Amino acid sequence: KQEVTQIPAALSVPEGENLVLNCSFTDSAIYNLQWFRQDPGKGLTSLLLIQSSQREQTSGRLNASLDKSSGRSTLYIAASQPGDSATYLCAVPRGAGNTPLVFGKGTRLSVIA
Amino acid sequence: NAGVTQTPKFRILKIGQSMTLQCAQDMNHNYMYWYRQDPGMGLKLIYYSVGAGITDKGEVPNGYNVSRSTTEDFPLRLELAAPSQTSVYFCASSRDSNYGYTFGSGTRLTVV
Repeated sequence: KQEVTQIPAALSVPEGENLVLNCSFTDSAIYNLQWFRQDPGKGLTSLLLIQSSQREQTSGRLNASLDKSSGRSTLYIAASQPGDSATYLCAVPRGAGNTPLVFGKGTRLSVIA
Repeated sequence: NAGVTQTPKFRILKIGQSMTLQCAQDMNHNYMYWYRQDPGMGLKLIYYSVGAGITDKGEVPNGYNVSRSTTEDFPLRLELAAPSQTSVYFCASSRDSNYGYTFGSGTRLTVV
């Protein structure tokens, strides 16, 4: 059974700092990994999708890496801003083929001005 | 605007009542999903569909039913509401599982 763990559960950093959020998964036979952002009381917004053949994906100040063999992914946020404050969730397919995503519990990020 | 639309946004139900949470998408996505999110527990899959007429159970299907008569709509039915069904419900869609998910804004349901 695929399980996703995110560490830390919460993180508070001063504005401008670079930071890393961690995600681990138990079944490395994944097709892709996705990172989402959730603002309080809102739905989830897709940030980055990494296919299993890729090692990383970048979007603006965000960079996500994937190491399938070790079952790990990291989301790097450069030069953090107060607007980055949100919960970040990692998700992977629950099995082989076209299967739904299993989500981690998320990391709640606070960027202090 | 293209996306996933969920209605209602908020609802209070009494124990034993029934209701349908509506979900519609206009992106012609084949895959649609229902998740529930409880505080500190992440998202749990209730049901999903890979196309019109095809549905399958997720991790926590008990107490819920779904149907998929069209590509656009994927309603979630709650029968005999219980306090344990108090949660935020999210509908999502994707072209298939190798593409990003688009989420609706959620329905916050309270059962009292």
